[in-house]
Formats: sequence, structure tokens, C-alpha cells
Amino acid sequence: AQKITQTQPGMFVQEKEAVTLDCTYDTSDPSYGLFWYKQPSSGEMIFLIYQGSYDQQNATEGRYSLNFQKARKSANLVISASQLGDSAMYFCAMREDSGNTGKLIFGQGTTLQVKP
Amino acid sequence: DSGVTQTPKHLITATGQRVTLRCSPRSGDLSVYWYQQSLDQGLQFLIQYYNGEERAKGNILERFSAQQFPDLHSELNLSSLELGDSALYFCASSVEIHSTGNTIYFGEGSWLTVV
Repeated sequence: AQKITQTQPGMFVQEKEAVTLDCTYDTSDPSYGLFWYKQPSSGEMIFLIYQGSYDQQNATEGRYSLNFQKARKSANLVISASQLGDSAMYFCAMREDSGNTGKLIFGQGTTLQVKP
Repeated sequence: DSGVTQTPKHLITATGQRVTLRCSPRSGDLSVYWYQQSLDQGLQFLIQYYNGEERAKGNILERFSAQQFPDLHSELNLSSLELGDSALYFCASSVEIHSTGNTIYFGEGSWLTVV
């Protein structure tokens, strides 16, 4: 069954340092997409980065990169040079393509706090 | 700004009442999704519409219904509301059903409080 697991309920990082948020997934579908979203305390869900299962290279978007290890079924988010504004909840999500829908399955989220 | 517009942003209503949440997708997006975020259930997929037709159904209660109109905006109707329906309701949109590289953008959400 499709599943997303985020094992870190909460994390702290010092400002300007890098941090890795873990995400593992389970699917039998050979074609899928992996997403990371940021949810600040104000509530909106902000798209950060996307990785397709057939993408050869790890996705990067500015300070965000996705460490995609297909064999291990992990899709960790790396935030470089953390900023105070990065403090938020982060969700990993997966879309399976075989069902021909775009629905996402979300993990439970990781709360990140950036310390000054 | 994701380009997905949701109204209202906040709503307080009594048990047993009915409310309608509205969503305007990003320009050009044909797919609309509804999600519910609650403390105990996390983020749950409710329903997806593609170009006016229901495409996928998730954990949506029978008391809830949705539709997508010809202009592609969507409405989520919640009726006979219970305290447990209090949640943040998100609308999201994407260009197609699921094509590779298809990014899904979320609106700011509608906070529903049932008292």
C-alpha cells in the first residue's frame, strides 16, 4: 500500500547551517512523483520541490535539494544555509501515476525550528 | 502567491449547519483537488475534479459534496456539520491529471470551525 513516512516529528537547526528532513515512501508503482511542501504557522501550503521517479538527477530549487535514493525509497529534503523564515512544518508527499489521478498521499510532517 | 484562490479564509458555524467553500484554480489548470487537514487525521485527500468531471475520490464523507463548474472553479459543500469537521480545507490545482513533472499548487486554505 502506498505510504509516506516522516520519522522526525520535530527538528532544530542553527541559522545558516544545513538540515536534512527525512522521508521514506512505499509504492509498487514504477512511475510516481515526490513532493515537498512547507506550511508556515499561517497555514498556507507552499510547494518547494518535485522529483519524478524517472528523473536521473536530484531535483534542486534554490536552497532546497532533494536527495533521491530510489533503491532505498527515500526522498530527503536538504535545506542549505537555513534562515529564520524556514521555521515551519514540512510535508513530504507522493503521487502514484498508475491510478491516472493527481492525488497526493502525505506524510505526518516534520516541524523545523531554526535557531538564531 | 500560488495562484489558487480560496474563499472564505475563515468560517465559524454551528453544528448541523451547511457551508460552501469556494476555489478558483490557477489560470490554465484543469484539475482541482480538495484536501482536509485536521490535527488527528493529518492531510487527507477528499476529491479530485478534472475539467468538470469527478476524477478520484478519497476519504470524503457522504455529508460532503463537491463540483467543478464550466469556468473551472470548484465548490466543496459541507452539510450537517459536526464538531469533528473543524479543520483546514485546502484546494489545489494542476494543469493535467497527473503527467510527469506536474506540479500541484495549493491555495491558502479555508479554516472551518464548527461550534
